[in-house]
Amino acid sequence: KQEVTQIPAALSVPEGENLVLNCSFTDSAIYNLQWFRQDPGKGLTSLLLIQSSQREQTSGRLNASLDKSSGRSTLYIAASQPGDSATYLCAVRTGANSKLTFGKGITLSVRP
Amino acid sequence: GAVVSQHPSRVICKSGTSVKIECRSLDFQATTMFWYRQFPKQSLMLMATSNEGSKATYEQGVEKDKFLINHASLTLSTLTVTSAHPEDSSFYICSANLGTSYEQYFGPGTRLTVT
Repeated sequence: KQEVTQIPAALSVPEGENLVLNCSFTDSAIYNLQWFRQDPGKGLTSLLLIQSSQREQTSGRLNASLDKSSGRSTLYIAASQPGDSATYLCAVRTGANSKLTFGKGITLSVRP
Repeated sequence: GAVVSQHPSRVICKSGTSVKIECRSLDFQATTMFWYRQFPKQSLMLMATSNEGSKATYEQGVEKDKFLINHASLTLSTLTVTSAHPEDSSFYICSANLGTSYEQYFGPGTRLTVT
């Protein structure tokens, strides 16, 4: 059974800092991995999708990496801003069109 | 990115009544949609997988007679909470996969409060 872990559960950093959010999963046989952002009381916004054959994806100040063999993914946020404050969720899919398995998320607070 | 909408965004109903929540993929066709439930400060819990033209697949522990799912078209899935009780109060979110990359897009969620 796939399990996804995100540690720590919460993180507070000053504005401008570069930061890394970690995600680990127990079964390396994944189809793809997706990072999401969730603001309080809102749905999830897809940030980055990494297919199993890829090592990283970039979008603006965000970079996500994937190391399947070690069961890890990281989300790198450059030059953090207060508007980046949200909960970041990592989710893996083990097969095409199969369900996503979510981590519990990391609640990020960027202090002005 | 792809857009998934939900309606209503908030609903308050009395105990014993039924509530229907709609999930639509606005600019793409979705043969599969997913329904999640989220409790405060917790991650998402998958309730069921909704397949167009066939019966939904429910996760273990989810009552299929209480949470009725209908996926009548490639752009619409509905979740009906029947005979709602206060413990059904929660945030319900739907999602759909886009294309062969299976990138999943989520709706904005529906806040259900049962009084």
